[in-house]
Amino acid sequence: EAQVTQNPRYLITVTGKKLTVTCSQNMNHEYMSWYRQDPGLGLRQIYYSMNVEVTDKGDVPEGYKVSRKEKRNFPLILESPSPNQTSLYFCASSPQGSYNEQFFGPGTRLTVL
Amino acid sequence: AQKVTQAQTEISVVEKEDVTLDCVYETRDTTYYLFWYKQPPSGELVFLIRRNSFDEQNEISGRYSWNFQKSTSSFNFTITASQVVDSAVYFCALSLDYGGYQKVTFGTGTKLQVIP
Repeated sequence: EAQVTQNPRYLITVTGKKLTVTCSQNMNHEYMSWYRQDPGLGLRQIYYSMNVEVTDKGDVPEGYKVSRKEKRNFPLILESPSPNQTSLYFCASSPQGSYNEQFFGPGTRLTVL
Repeated sequence: AQKVTQAQTEISVVEKEDVTLDCVYETRDTTYYLFWYKQPPSGELVFLIRRNSFDEQNEISGRYSWNFQKSTSSFNFTITASQVVDSAVYFCALSLDYGGYQKVTFGTGTKLQVIP
């Protein structure tokens, strides 16, 4: 089944404790992206990747890191999480080209205390 | 810079009413793509439709229809005879190629509640 998976689905952590949210897709898509969803703010792009080893900042990259060592994986790293990073996070992938719709993962609900 | 505005934060309608969700976009590019996604209460994001900037034909799919007007930079979504299952948050998005990269911008979403 074609899908984007994220882990964990739910995470409660404390300020400053490094964490990684994994994202994996099995559709051989070039483009992958991370979004955060907050009430009243919609979906905001954190980072995106056009292909392996090619990443760039989105609209709200502060406090986040990403890497793209393999085509299928695009982990999101919070090296020192803070409470303002409490949010719902979505990973998405698509074939390269702005005309392609994105396929989204199920979301990760992160709470930073 | 590109921008997508969904001015309606929340809309409530009674079942079987028609409802239109507004989407206004801003871009200087002449080639771009517009999308609508649905996020039901279960939380997943589901693609509904895509439109490219050169195709202003309206589209109808069952109870759903989309009106794309470049003159007003709008890509509105109408649900006819709404049903409870239409209750969701709907996002409009703009996608374009930006200096060799692909840039996607989402609106803030419109929460639709269909009351039985």
